Amino acid sequence: KAGVTQTPRYLIKTRGQQVTLSCSPISGHRSVSWYQQTPGQGLQFLFEYFSETQRNKGNFPGRFSGRQFSNSRSEMNVSTLELGDSALYLCASSPGPDRANYGYTFGSGTRLTVV
Amino acid sequence: AQTVTQSQPEMSVQEAETVTLSCTYDTSENNYYLFWYKQPPSRQMILVIRQEAYKQQNATENRFSVNFQKAAKSFSLKISDSQLGDTAMYFCAFMIWGNMLTFGGGTRLMVKP
Repeated sequence: KAGVTQTPRYLIKTRGQQVTLSCSPISGHRSVSWYQQTPGQGLQFLFEYFSETQRNKGNFPGRFSGRQFSNSRSEMNVSTLELGDSALYLCASSPGPDRANYGYTFGSGTRLTVV
Repeated sequence: AQTVTQSQPEMSVQEAETVTLSCTYDTSENNYYLFWYKQPPSRQMILVIRQEAYKQQNATENRFSVNFQKAAKSFSLKISDSQLGDTAMYFCAFMIWGNMLTFGGGTRLMVKP
């Protein structure tokens, strides 16, 4: 059974550009969440999607957006990149909203560097 | 809002020894879930152990066990018979049903041969 797949693994972008990160959940999982990991702020929740609907959103500016497709794959987009957006972006999937009992399965993340 | 604090940024232990990682949290909720995740250099977060707040019995998974003190809002992780493969960042995390994970700042554990 394939795990959570995030692409690309590494990305270098210039300030002001935009970027799209992709996450393919485990087959059958319909809930996808995104987290940002930085040395300074640690792990912070970005947003969660279930059945193509955003259910929760973290405290991030509107430059951060996401979506989920009918096959449960999810993308997140960051527009007008800033140096502070450099981070490891982790995606996690779960069979459904009951993540406390089903748990999350995380991907290996996308390392974004903004120069 | 919930907060999770891990007071030990780094720890080391000799192979085959036992080590305990500390975690405290703050919440006004009564029903919640606590987790320990491991993040090796491969970057993937791996669930180590999970505890439901309404269960008084401490969770155990092979060499990993927790000491859950609900009144003290403490949730420490004990690793017995430490192995080189246990070297990783360890994160304590909190969740209310239906919500997101709130993570602590992490503890870097080094297992020495």
